[in-house]
Amino acid sequence: NAGVTQTPKFQVLKTGQSMTLQCAQDMNHEYMSWYRQDPGMGLRLIHYSVGAGITDQGEVPNGYNVSRSTTEDFPLRLLSAAPSQTSVYFCASSQRGTGGQPQHFGDGTRLSIL
Amino acid sequence: TQLLEQSPQFLSIQEGENLTVYCNSSSVFSSLQWYRQEPGEGPVLLVTVVTGGEVKKLKRLTFQFGDARKDSSLHITAAQPGDTGLYLCAGDSGNTGKLIFGQGTTLQVKP
Repeated sequence: NAGVTQTPKFQVLKTGQSMTLQCAQDMNHEYMSWYRQDPGMGLRLIHYSVGAGITDQGEVPNGYNVSRSTTEDFPLRLLSAAPSQTSVYFCASSQRGTGGQPQHFGDGTRLSIL
Repeated sequence: TQLLEQSPQFLSIQEGENLTVYCNSSSVFSSLQWYRQEPGEGPVLLVTVVTGGEVKKLKRLTFQFGDARKDSSLHITAAQPGDTGLYLCAGDSGNTGKLIFGQGTTLQVKP
């Protein structure tokens, strides 16, 4: 059982380049989210999805796009990379439900924009 | 905008000491979760609290949800070097799956 798988683990980009961070989960979870983690700021929600075909913005969506064509996959696209997007990106998934369903996180993608 | 203020941000203590981490907000949350994160890995859930006043224990860790569901605390008794890591609180305001995270507390326990 792989859980949440993120690829790549590391990436270096030049300013202005575009790329897609991949996220896949094999737990049949309905909810999926993307966060970025910066020193001293915890995790901030970029985009999330409550099911295939449904996405919405989080706290810091500018510069990022998402789509959810299947339950399993939730890719994050950087349209034109900027140094301010240097960060560690985490994908998470959880079941729909009440009572604070636990989020399952991938191991992150460490992204540097030069 | 909902905010979760977590304190302290850094804590360095000796093995055997006790400590408390606080997570405060002016907003009400339907549930609050505590995660622990090791370097190079994603956060891993420790506990979820959903009822005002609820107390949960996990070995030497005690978690409490405030009566008004606006704050929470994590107390560690007799800390050990294995407790070293980043502790994060996260709140969900409406069972939406959208979590608001605190800034995190980096704990170092020296042997």
